[in-house]
Amino acid sequence: SAVISQKPSRDICQRGTSLTIQCQVDSQVTMMFWYRQQPGQSLTLIATANQGSEATYESGFVIDKFPISRPNLTFSTLTVSNMSPEDSSIYLCSAVPPGRGYGYTFGSGTRLTVV
Amino acid sequence: GEDVEQSLFLSVREGDSSVINCTYTDSSSTYLYWYKQEPGAGLQLLTYIFSNMDMKQDQRLTVLLNKKDKHLSLRIADTQTGDSAIYFCAEIRDGGATNKLIFGTGTLLAVQP
Repeated sequence: SAVISQKPSRDICQRGTSLTIQCQVDSQVTMMFWYRQQPGQSLTLIATANQGSEATYESGFVIDKFPISRPNLTFSTLTVSNMSPEDSSIYLCSAVPPGRGYGYTFGSGTRLTVV
Repeated sequence: GEDVEQSLFLSVREGDSSVINCTYTDSSSTYLYWYKQEPGAGLQLLTYIFSNMDMKQDQRLTVLLNKKDKHLSLRIADTQTGDSAIYFCAEIRDGGATNKLIFGTGTLLAVQP
């Protein structure tokens, strides 16, 4: 079974709408991370989500555009708000599950297309 | 921050060895990683190396680390067509309250039969 489950796996959305992506880890983790992979590009860290506090955003990413929830130690959501075609990307969550050394594990990703 | 640099493309013949190179930025990185991404698929952790090691071998994979030059390489022995993918190196960067995994630019490995 997957260590990190992410859904939806893909979606096509209208511009101006919002999409919430969910990520479930099968064990408790302190930190969860959200990444964006634009077409043909590498992965860029959006934010770090710590349970019980506000997410920490990287330069170029803001909470109003990418609100994140972290209600417990196994779950997080990322919302892509007021979408435009430039938001078309793969979004991935990541964590370091216990018992897996120092290996950052990734969800299978959400392929978002904004039309 | 600075980019973690990789060459864009590498083409090898099946059965040859592949060497993918990476120049990272943070000399205090405790761990360095190699990930594989196949078309339309997620990100697979291949291996990682602790910064006090020079080399790590795992079956067909050999990781070499040169801390002085901040250079990391991944050697794939007896490369197969199934190894065709994008390979990303990644470094741990100190983010203050938490460490962050920062990815390289990615190398597309094409294996010719």
